[in-house]
Amino acid sequence: QKEVEQDPGPLSVPEGAIVSLNCTYSNSAFQYFMWYRQYSRKGPELLMYTYSSGNKEDGRFTAQVDKSSKYISLFIRDSQPSDSATYLCAMSARGGTSYGKLTFGQGTILTVHP
Amino acid sequence: DSGVTQTPKHLITATGQRVTLRCSPRSGDLSVYWYQQSLDQGLQFLIQYYNGEERAKGNILERFSAQQFPDLHSELNLSSLELGDSALYFCASSERDGEQYFGPGTRLTVT
Repeated sequence: QKEVEQDPGPLSVPEGAIVSLNCTYSNSAFQYFMWYRQYSRKGPELLMYTYSSGNKEDGRFTAQVDKSSKYISLFIRDSQPSDSATYLCAMSARGGTSYGKLTFGQGTILTVHP
Repeated sequence: DSGVTQTPKHLITATGQRVTLRCSPRSGDLSVYWYQQSLDQGLQFLIQYYNGEERAKGNILERFSAQQFPDLHSELNLSSLELGDSALYFCASSERDGEQYFGPGTRLTVT
């Protein structure tokens, strides 16, 4: 079983829809949670970064972390065709030999059609 | 633009050869990370350097090595290349834990 599970999709939605992307994880040591957006053949772009549990909002994006359920989510409101990309969740623990190491989900391919 | 630069963009080489990938972190970042992205394995952590010292190691093959220089740029050396080493190699940098910013990557093709 992988430490981080993410549904690869693909996910196809109409423009303006609310998109929900999710990851589950098994390592209770994870404390930092991130979402990255990756366009084809480009480097991952950091969208959201949260520490421990809670919500964080940035424009059309909201990240939620529920450590008790080991579940994180990214919501995209008023989705646009330019949001079409692969979305990767990533997590890291604090300290020890895994210091700084990010563990990624497989990524969800999202297409927003006009 | 994340501020992290990587060279070269593309690299095509033959099995058994050795290549060097280069990364310059964002200004002020002391940590550099290397990741490998392949279709079947996804993004996998290879190694981290902090201010010139090795900090954390992932499933990096013995044929692979890295270093970080006093000016903080880093190099990833891949030797005795195999077909399965074909992948995208990313460098990331961070000022502190967690917030890692990725470069554009080097696409390595081993023929």
